[in-house]
Formats: sequence, structure tokens, C-alpha cells
Amino acid sequence: DTAVSQTPKYLVTQMGNDKSIKCEQNLGHDTMYWYKQDSKKFLKIMFSYNNKELIINETVPNRFSPKSPDKAHLNLHINSLELGDSAVYFCASSQDGYNEQFFGPGTRLTVL
Amino acid sequence: DQQVKQNSPSLSVQEGRISILNCDYTNSMFDYFLWYKKYPAEGPTFLISISSIKDKNEDGRFTVFLNKSAKHLSLHIVPSQPGDSAVYFCAATGGTSYGKLTFGQGTILTVHP
Repeated sequence: DTAVSQTPKYLVTQMGNDKSIKCEQNLGHDTMYWYKQDSKKFLKIMFSYNNKELIINETVPNRFSPKSPDKAHLNLHINSLELGDSAVYFCASSQDGYNEQFFGPGTRLTVL
Repeated sequence: DQQVKQNSPSLSVQEGRISILNCDYTNSMFDYFLWYKKYPAEGPTFLISISSIKDKNEDGRFTVFLNKSAKHLSLHIVPSQPGDSAVYFCAATGGTSYGKLTFGQGTILTVHP
């Protein structure tokens, strides 16, 4: 009965490939997020969706494209992977933008 | 431009004593602050929050204090337990940044038995 789940947990791939990370929440929340934790351990927001509508789009390369098929899912697709994309990516959800966010376990992406 | 800072990378405390984790922010638009706890290979877990209309919020062993004039908040854990050993992140949001949490870089807390 995991609240926020992500797949896969680990992803190792070659430069130039395209990959996707999936996120699902069963909390009935309206808002979902993607965060990136870089090598310096900073957690930075990338995107936020509210009821399938894009709310926050930080200065992220357009190789990154979030897709929300419904309000329980927010997937992250990354094109033409680069070495600098290696990081841990966390999905999160909240009831709205004013409440605490619940995080998934993270996906460790390694680009070789 | 780091708007939320946790200047202590690590803190070591004896079991049963108080742990005090500190956080400073620069953006005066922030009006809601949160603390998260993170174990290795897991996502951050929400601990406690405080709105800018309060200066203290308590939940069991955890208390968060907010000093708006100093743009400073702290998390007190009393008594500290070995299971509290984790990375603690301070986060802030507010103003027009709907849902956007700005995180500090984290403090590693180690509680020794």
C-alpha cells in the first residue's frame, strides 16, 4: 500500500539514450512533482502538475518532458541522456500546493 | 542563489540529549516551512511544519521554532534516539511559488547510543 511509488528504482543507461521514469500515487492528491537531487545532495524542483495541468516548470532542459495521463500518475521522459543527468529523481504529491508533500523512494539514474 | 541554508553539514548527539538543527532563509516571501527526514535509499519523509503566523509548533518529541525577524528556524528533538539518525532537510515555500519547495542542503544527524 505504498503511497507514492516510482519505477524503476535504479536505471543505468548510455549517453544519448531515451528513458522514462514512472510515478504513481494512491493518496488521492491533486498535485504531483518531480525533484532532482544532484551530486551535492541539493533537492531541486523540476516540474509540478495540478490535476494534469502543468503548474511549475523550472529551468529544465527541454530534453525533460513530464507527462500526466491522469492525476494519479506523473511520468518523466528524458531524451538524449547526458552525463550530467546522473542524479536521484524523486516524485512527490500533495493535496494542493499549500500542504506537505509526500515523496516516493527515488530513482537513481546513472548515465555512462 | 541559495535561499535556504543549513550551515551545519553534520551533528552528533548522545542518545537522550537534545538535537538542535538550524536553518536560515533569505526570501521574505516564504511563509510556510517544513522539516523532512531522509534515510539512505529512501525518499524524504515529512516531519513537521510551521506557518509564519506562528513561532512554535510541537509534535511529540519534535518542536520547530520560527524567528521571522532573523529569518531563522530550528528543529529540536527531545529526547534524541538512535533511530533519529538520518539526514534532515529544511524546506520553505510561499508567495507566488505555489507548491514549490525550496530545500536546504541537509544536515546529517547521528545519535549515539
